Amino acid sequence: HLQLQESGPGLVKPSETLSLTCSVSGDPIIDTVYYWGWIRQPPGKGLEWIGAIYYSGSTYYNPSLKSRLTMAVDSSQNQFSLDLSSVTAADTAIYYCARHDWSTSTPAFDYWGLGTLVTVSS
Amino acid sequence: QSVLTQPPSASGTPGQRVTISCSGSNSNIETNTVNWYQQVPGTAPRLLIYSNNQRPSGVPGRFSGSKSGTSASLAISGLQSEDEAEYYCAGWDDSLYGAVFGGGTKLTVL
Repeated sequence: HLQLQESGPGLVKPSETLSLTCSVSGDPIIDTVYYWGWIRQPPGKGLEWIGAIYYSGSTYYNPSLKSRLTMAVDSSQNQFSLDLSSVTAADTAIYYCARHDWSTSTPAFDYWGLGTLVTVSS
Repeated sequence: QSVLTQPPSASGTPGQRVTISCSGSNSNIETNTVNWYQQVPGTAPRLLIYSNNQRPSGVPGRFSGSKSGTSASLAISGLQSEDEAEYYCAGWDDSLYGAVFGGGTKLTVL
């Protein structure tokens, strides 16, 4: 049974870097069928896709975040990570990691973590 | 402002059939598949429909999806109180080169 779990600081200061890790259990991250990625949700608002990474390191990033975004895979730990630099209050959100099934033209986010709230504040 | 447009709210009584629309453009819905997600307050979203009209294992047959041109719809028949949730459509936009969501529709079961 596939499970994803986000971890990282719940509070980040403005202008600093937000770093999160998603630990995957029940499926090797090097499974060639799937991408692994992130989606966020500001409190009380809708969903925003952040980006996705393949086990080889190939990435797709949201163009609006691309200049501040870095994603990486650690296959030895079965984890993948997100770094978002120069954060502002607008980056305050619940961050979800999710498996991306890209067998059709639009990736389906078929497994999700529980989410972790990250607040940007001094 | 979301790339995909959904009505902010919808409602129905138990047993009724309700539909939720999702409007896009020729760079997203018309050329790519549409997925739908259900989010009960305080929980992570759940994949409800993928590839326009396919249900993942475990999703009741009461939920169905369709697509025509630049629009898509989610239909829920035999509405139940447990269906009260936020529903999001999602697609891939070829111009933005990224996944996009609708703004969400809050479904209330009266």
